[in-house]
Amino acid sequence: DTGVSQNPRHKITKRGQNVTFRCDPISEHNRLYWYRQTLGQGPEFLTYFQNEAQLEKSRLLSDRFSAERPKGSFSTLEIQRTEQGDSAMYLCASSPPPLAATYEQYFGPGTRLTVT
Amino acid sequence: AQKVTQAQTEISVVEKEDVTLDCVYETRDTTYYLFWYKQPPSGELVFLIRRNSFDEQNEISGRYSWNFQKSTSSFNFTITASQVVDSAVYFCALSEAGGGGADGLTFGKGTHLIIQP
Repeated sequence: DTGVSQNPRHKITKRGQNVTFRCDPISEHNRLYWYRQTLGQGPEFLTYFQNEAQLEKSRLLSDRFSAERPKGSFSTLEIQRTEQGDSAMYLCASSPPPLAATYEQYFGPGTRLTVT
Repeated sequence: AQKVTQAQTEISVVEKEDVTLDCVYETRDTTYYLFWYKQPPSGELVFLIRRNSFDEQNEISGRYSWNFQKSTSSFNFTITASQVVDSAVYFCALSEAGGGGADGLTFGKGTHLIIQP
């Protein structure tokens, strides 16, 4: 069984460009989360999906950010018109269904975004 | 609003010493979940433990132990006989139960633990 995977692992882009990241959760997990982590800080919650429904969005998720999970499996996070302040590690996590009553979130390796 | 405070930014100890990482949390919910994660130099967050607010029993797993005290809103983590491989950043996190425990986690800023040989 593989864990959460994220692609690409690293992305360097110029300011103003759009970028898209992909997350593949653990196969039986129906909940998927996106976080952002900057240097020296803990991860900050961005958004959460249960199956294909986006149930929660943080105020950190500005209009330039959009996330989708079209078939309830993989998810994408797009950032439009990137700014230097968007430079961070973007983490994806997944969690089993509520009936499992475990609530642990299992994290992927992250995508490190550098905006120049 | 929920908040997690890890006051120790960095701790450095010599191998085989015991070390305790502090975590203090704030929440208005009566039902919540507390977590510890380890982030080694490779960067991937590793789940260590989950505790719900109704279970105040301390837990021990090998060299790791956790002390949950609701009276002081603390969930401290102790490593006994530390090893160089324990060197990492450790995060404490909180989830309120409004979403059935499925809400996003609120993390502290982390404690960078350095174990010197």
